[in-house]
Amino acid sequence: GENVEQHPSTLSVQEGDSAVIKCTYSDSASNYFPWYKQELGKRPQLIIDIRSNVGEKKDQRIAVTLNKTAKHFSLHITETQPEDSAVYFCAANVEIRNQFYFGTGTSLTVIP
Amino acid sequence: ETGVTQSPTHLIKTRGQQVTLRCSSQSGHNTVSWYQQALGQGPQFIFQYYREEENGRGNFPPRFSGLQFPNYSSELNVNALELDDSALYLCASSLGSFDQETQYFGPGTRLLVL
Repeated sequence: GENVEQHPSTLSVQEGDSAVIKCTYSDSASNYFPWYKQELGKRPQLIIDIRSNVGEKKDQRIAVTLNKTAKHFSLHITETQPEDSAVYFCAANVEIRNQFYFGTGTSLTVIP
Repeated sequence: ETGVTQSPTHLIKTRGQQVTLRCSSQSGHNTVSWYQQALGQGPQFIFQYYREEENGRGNFPPRFSGLQFPNYSSELNVNALELDDSALYLCASSLGSFDQETQYFGPGTRLLVL
């Protein structure tokens, strides 16, 4: 089955700096890669996703890149703000079926 | 916030008991996936229901079972509870079970097994 690895497990940045979280996946047939933000005690919220037919997608301060050859994808947050502090999860789907396998999460702290 | 709801919000059970968790999918969504999230971990896929049929299963034992109803709401049943079953149980609904469909999560049910 699919195996998703996520790094780093914790990340602290100064407000205004950039944050990068990286994930690798094992199943070359995976073709959809969402990122979720989970605040303490709350549900995971989709923040951005990328499909396998594109290499990069951007939404304001958030961007995701995908390298299918290397089987890795990354989340980039620019101009970080304290409200970006949360746990971020990457996920990869299983071919054809929409079943997600998640990374272990990155706890991001933005220091004011 | 999504239209996905779950009940109850919290639950305490003892080892060996059985539990039923419920999920109402977002309007128009016919697919529900269930995940177990242990403390400090990412969600782990349990199984998925598509139009009332099980549509795939993760690495969970048969004592984890489910149902989906004609209105696409769903139940997760866990028999013979073990201490390690303590976790946040999340359901997520999507428009279909085809690949690349966005999944929207409910708020979760926090289960504690004593």
